[in-house]
Amino acid sequence: GENVEQHPSTLSVQEGDSAVIKCTYSDSASNYFPWYKQELGKRPQLIIDIRSNVGEKKDQRIAVTLNKTAKHFSLHITETQPEDSAVYFCAAPDPISGGGADGLTFGKGTHLIIQP
Amino acid sequence: NAGVTQTPKFQVLKTGQSMTLQCAQDMNHEYMSWYRQDPGMGLRLIHYSVGAGITDQGEVPNGYNVSRSTTEDFPLRLLSAAPSQTSVYFCASSYSRAIGELFFGEGSRLTVL
Repeated sequence: GENVEQHPSTLSVQEGDSAVIKCTYSDSASNYFPWYKQELGKRPQLIIDIRSNVGEKKDQRIAVTLNKTAKHFSLHITETQPEDSAVYFCAAPDPISGGGADGLTFGKGTHLIIQP
Repeated sequence: NAGVTQTPKFQVLKTGQSMTLQCAQDMNHEYMSWYRQDPGMGLRLIHYSVGAGITDQGEVPNGYNVSRSTTEDFPLRLLSAAPSQTSVYFCASSYSRAIGELFFGEGSRLTVL
């Protein structure tokens, strides 16, 4: 099945600085790459996603970049704020489930800490 | 519109007991799935369903059963609970594979003694 590696496992940045989280995937046929944010004790929620026909997507302070040749994608958060503190998960379609969003393989998560 | 509803939120079991985690969604989503979340392991797919009457295994299916008799409901059964099944379980649904967004329930924290 799909193998998704996520780095770093913990990231601490000063408020106002940028944060970058990187993921690699193994299945070259994967074409959909979402990012989920999970606040402490809450459910994961989608914050941004990208499909393989584009190289970058931006939504206010959040952006995702995709390099299909290298099979990696990254989450960029600019001007970080205290409410950005959470665990972030990248994901890619699990080919076992047919490559759909109903069956995703998730990275192990990055705990982002925003220092005041 | 409640979204995805899971029950119970917390459960303590003894080794060997069985139980069912309930999941219901009111968004008319065809696709539903169960994940377990363990510290440092991310979210791992247990079982999924692409529609009523159709289920299949994910990455970690052993020890769990599912059924999908209606579009709305997707219960997860633990047949004989083991301490290794201590985890937080999330049910999720999505409208379609192409659109992609998974809507998660609030989670069910299960402890097996």
